[in-house]
Amino acid sequence: DGGITQSPKYLFRKEGQNVTLSCEQNLNHDAMYWYRQDPGQGLRLIYYSQIVNDFQKGDIAEGYSVSREKKESFPLTVTSAQKNPTAFYLCASSLTSGTGAYQPQHFGDGTRLSIL
Amino acid sequence: AQSVAQPEDQVNVAEGNPLTVKCTYSVSGNPYLFWYVQYPNRGLQFLLKYITGDNLVKGSYGFEAEFNKSQTSFHLKKPSALVSDSALYFCAVKTGGSYIPTFGRGTSLIVHP
Repeated sequence: DGGITQSPKYLFRKEGQNVTLSCEQNLNHDAMYWYRQDPGQGLRLIYYSQIVNDFQKGDIAEGYSVSREKKESFPLTVTSAQKNPTAFYLCASSLTSGTGAYQPQHFGDGTRLSIL
Repeated sequence: AQSVAQPEDQVNVAEGNPLTVKCTYSVSGNPYLFWYVQYPNRGLQFLLKYITGDNLVKGSYGFEAEFNKSQTSFHLKKPSALVSDSALYFCAVKTGGSYIPTFGRGTSLIVHP
């Protein structure tokens, strides 16, 4: 079955440490996204990418970095500059070409990041 | 700019009663509207969408939504709620000019036995 896989499910970060969240999709979608979810705040867009080797900042990119070396993969690094990283992180993908605007996003099951 | 409002943080309904979760939007141009559901510690799951045509759209798990252009609303409805419908519901909007959706803040639906 096609879908999006996020790993790990739970992640703990020590002070001053960078951590990387994995996101892989086998839906052949061109666009991928990272969202941060905090209670009562809905989804906030961190980064998005429409094509390989290109990505754009979303609304809350500070303290985060991404790469898009393969169409299937869009890892997110939470750097030590992100002072409040505790949140639920969701990866999504979608089509953008053709009827892509009409199509919903597909989401992974998230990674919950906490500070030790 | 596009925006979505879900005016209720929480909706409570008794099992077997009809439910409505409200959503209003603001866009330039024609809206593409979506509803998603999120269960605890899971990702969002797509429920239904409005692109064009019939204002009443039907989706998964018996949910439906009505598009009202004059009121710029896209309320989610179900004739008879189930306890298992208890979850967080998100409304989202896109336009033809952008493939990136704007999400509402979410509404927590609690169905009481």
